[in-house]
Amino acid sequence: QKEVEQDPGPLSVPEGAIVSLNCTYSNSAFQYFMWYRQYSRKGPELLMYTYSSGNKEDGRFTAQVDKSSKYISLFIRDSQPSDSATYLCAMSEGSNYQLIWGAGTKLIIKP
Amino acid sequence: EAGVVQSPRYKIIEKKQPVAFWCNPISGHNTLYWYRQNLGQGPELLIRYENEEAVDDSQLPKDRFSAERLKGVDSTLKIQPAELGDSAVYLCASSFSGSSYEQYFGPGTRLTVT
Repeated sequence: QKEVEQDPGPLSVPEGAIVSLNCTYSNSAFQYFMWYRQYSRKGPELLMYTYSSGNKEDGRFTAQVDKSSKYISLFIRDSQPSDSATYLCAMSEGSNYQLIWGAGTKLIIKP
Repeated sequence: EAGVVQSPRYKIIEKKQPVAFWCNPISGHNTLYWYRQNLGQGPELLIRYENEEAVDDSQLPKDRFSAERLKGVDSTLKIQPAELGDSAVYLCASSFSGSSYEQYFGPGTRLTVT
């Protein structure tokens, strides 16, 4: 079993829909939780990070961490075709620790 | 402000040949990372530098891979000799020290070994 599990998709939704992307993990020592977006033939781009539990919002994006369930989510409101990309979650035990990555979920927003 | 710069963007070589990748991190970022990413997978850390010092190279295949970061800025990753299984995207990232949760990536070098 991998430390971080992420459904590879693809997840296809119509434009304007609310998107929910998720990761589960097994290491209860994880403290930092990151979401990266990766367009085809580009490097990953940090969307947001959360420390410990709770929610964090940035524009149309909301990250949620539930440490009791070892489950994190990224919600995208009013999805746009430009949101079509692969979304990677990553986690670490501390501010100077190695990131452990999910395999990424491919998201397709249909116009 | 310029992001992480990598070159070349694409490289095709025959097996057993050497290859080198270059990375220039974001100005002020003391920590530099080299990753390898295979299709459909997340990045895999190869080596992490704090300034000039390699502080985590446990996943670097040292029989054929080497890296250096002279003067604590630019870095070079080398493979010699390359094998078919080395075909992947090689990513460079950088961050401030103690902020591994906030890494910024370059566009990567796509390596094809034939």
